[in-house]
Amino acid sequence: QKEVEQDPGPLSVPEGAIVSLNCTYSNSAFQYFMWYRQYSRKGPELLMYTYSSGNKEDGRFTAQVDKSSKYISLFIRDSQPSDSATYLCAMSLLGNRDDKIIFGKGTRLHILP
Amino acid sequence: GAVVSQHPSRVICKSGTSVKIECRSLDFQATTMFWYRQFPKQSLMLMATSNEGSKATYEQGVEKDKFLINHASLTLSTLTVTSAHPEDSSFYICSARSQRGPYQETQYFGPGTRLLVL
Repeated sequence: QKEVEQDPGPLSVPEGAIVSLNCTYSNSAFQYFMWYRQYSRKGPELLMYTYSSGNKEDGRFTAQVDKSSKYISLFIRDSQPSDSATYLCAMSLLGNRDDKIIFGKGTRLHILP
Repeated sequence: GAVVSQHPSRVICKSGTSVKIECRSLDFQATTMFWYRQFPKQSLMLMATSNEGSKATYEQGVEKDKFLINHASLTLSTLTVTSAHPEDSSFYICSARSQRGPYQETQYFGPGTRLLVL
């Protein structure tokens, strides 16, 4: 079983729809969860990060963590064509400067105008 | 937010030559920098972790003599692909870990360098 599982997509939704992106993980010791957005031929851009279970909101984006189910989600409200990108979930343990961040494979998202 | 730059953004070279890629943290000090490669439509693959002033730690299967990493200062790390071959063609991305901010484990990525070996 891989440490982090993420559906690669592609996921196509109409403009204005709510998008739900998900990852599951197997290591219950993960404490720090992130979502990155990567446009084609660009480096990943950190969107959101959180330590705790529950929801964290930032504008149109909401990150949700359920540690009991080992499941994280990113919701995008009022999706725009400019949201079309690959979204990578990522997670790590805490406390060690050499701590590796484990990435999901990424979900390719297309917002249709 | 923290900014990481990479240079060059794109390089084309002949087989057998060496290529150096620079990664700089522009507005923060990074004790740790990471080097990744990414093939089209694939996820990031960690190649090595670079700590300032010490030798890099390579992931299993990554040849340390082929991919030379130097982390000379808190703002600069370099990756040299020695005797490059066509199979080394890929997208190379660095990232840096910040010592400041609410979460010191946060990792910021550079824009990437596309290498094409002919």
